[in-house]
Amino acid sequence: DTEVTQTPKHLVMGMTNKKSLKCEQHMGHRAMYWYKQKAKKPPELMFVYSYEKLSINESVPSRFSPECPNSSLLNLHLHALQPEDSALYLCASSRGQGFMNTEAFFGQGTRLTVV
Amino acid sequence: KNQVEQSPQSLIILEGKNCTLQCNYTVSPFSNLRWYKQDTGRGPVSLTIMTFSENTKSNGRYTATLDADTKQSSLHITASQLSDSASYICVVSVNSGGSNYKLTFGKGTLLTVNP
Repeated sequence: DTEVTQTPKHLVMGMTNKKSLKCEQHMGHRAMYWYKQKAKKPPELMFVYSYEKLSINESVPSRFSPECPNSSLLNLHLHALQPEDSALYLCASSRGQGFMNTEAFFGQGTRLTVV
Repeated sequence: KNQVEQSPQSLIILEGKNCTLQCNYTVSPFSNLRWYKQDTGRGPVSLTIMTFSENTKSNGRYTATLDADTKQSSLHITASQLSDSASYICVVSVNSGGSNYKLTFGKGTLLTVNP
C-alpha cells in the first residue's frame, strides 16, 4: 500500500467556518507534510511533522493549525480563512524527514474554496 | 538562491510522438532529483528519483537523465498517449542542514497530447 489518502476531496467553507482536512497513510512513514498549491504554481511547503512532532512551520498564519494525532494521521484545522486561502492542499509522507534518497508520496489533495 | 528551472513551459504534441522536457537547477548541496507527473487538481505522482551518481533511470515509457556536472536533467517520453497530458514537475532535494532536506519544485511543463 503506497497510498496517501486525503479527505475530503473538495471543501467549500465560509470565512467564519471551522473545518478540518485529514490525511492518512499506512506505509509506516514517520514524516508527514502539508503543502499548499495555487493554480499553475508549484506546491509550497507549510508544515513538516517528524515522529509526530512539528519540526518545520514555514511561517504559516495561525488560522492554519496542524495536528498529528499518531504516526498514520495528519490533520489541518482551518479557522477564519480568507478567500486567498483557496487552493489545493496536498499531504505527503516519506520514510523520514531526512528525505535523502527516499521517496515522498503525495495524496490526491483537497480542493479548498473559501467564500 | 536555490532554483529549479524547467523548459518549455508548455508543449503540445500528437499522440504517438516522443518528447523531451528539460530541467536546470542551481540548488546546493544537491541530494537527489525527482520527476513527478501531476494531473490537474490532483496530487503529484512520482516517475523517477535519481542521485548524483545516476545518469539515467527508466520507468516504462519515461526515461530521465541527469548530468550532475552541468546540473541538468531531462525527461524523455516515448510513444506518447493521451493520458500523458499533465504537468511534469522537476523537484530537487536540498540538504537544508543536518539531516533535514527540503524539496525545491520547478514550475512544471504542461504537456498536452492531442489525438
